[in-house]
Amino acid sequence: EVQLLESGGGLVQPGGSLRLSCAASGFSFRSWAMSWVRQAPGKGLEWVSGISAGGNTTNYADSVKGRFTISRDNYKNTLYLQMNSLRAEDTAVYYCAKRRYGDYDYWGQGTLVTVSS
Amino acid sequence: AIQLTQSPSSLSAYVGDRVTITCRASQGIGSALAWYQQKPGKPPKLLIYDASSLESEVPSRFSGGGSGTDFALTISSLQPEDFATYYCQQFDNYPRTFGHGTKVDIK
Repeated sequence: EVQLLESGGGLVQPGGSLRLSCAASGFSFRSWAMSWVRQAPGKGLEWVSGISAGGNTTNYADSVKGRFTISRDNYKNTLYLQMNSLRAEDTAVYYCAKRRYGDYDYWGQGTLVTVSS
Repeated sequence: AIQLTQSPSSLSAYVGDRVTITCRASQGIGSALAWYQQKPGKPPKLLIYDASSLESEVPSRFSGGGSGTDFALTISSLQPEDFATYYCQQFDNYPRTFGHGTKVDIK
């Protein structure tokens, strides 16, 4: 059974940093691209970042480019999102998702990031 | 970035109704479109990929169609468990983008 378990969310002050993790199991993690998608409270889905299976290609939404860094450890079956210079508008539930052809066939339960003073 | 415009933003329907949600892309994306269902407090669930392919274990009352810029998700006979918010997503270009969602509730 495919499982994606996010962790690392919490309350952080504006300008602060946070690192999210997503532990994957039940599939060959090293073979699949992965992404982070977020959802602000009461709002829609926003794609944040994606990384190729081998980790050598990354993409970012304009809203986070230069502040967030996606990475992965294929030995630990873990996806990461390093978030720096956090803003109030980054407050959201952050989901990790397994990318298939371009769609996302498995999602974690999400971790809440709240940016507030 | 490619913009996806979903219509309507919300709708009310009866159990048993046929429901259609549309998604228009700001430029042609071929068939690089997926549809998701999301219930409150839960992650999205993939329903349709490649515009018209039904994801495994998704009921056959869900169907997708379209290509290029105009797409549709149809629920042939709405069931109580189908009341949720639906999103389209394009994967033709980066950044990936989602539609703003269509909330389907009980009439």
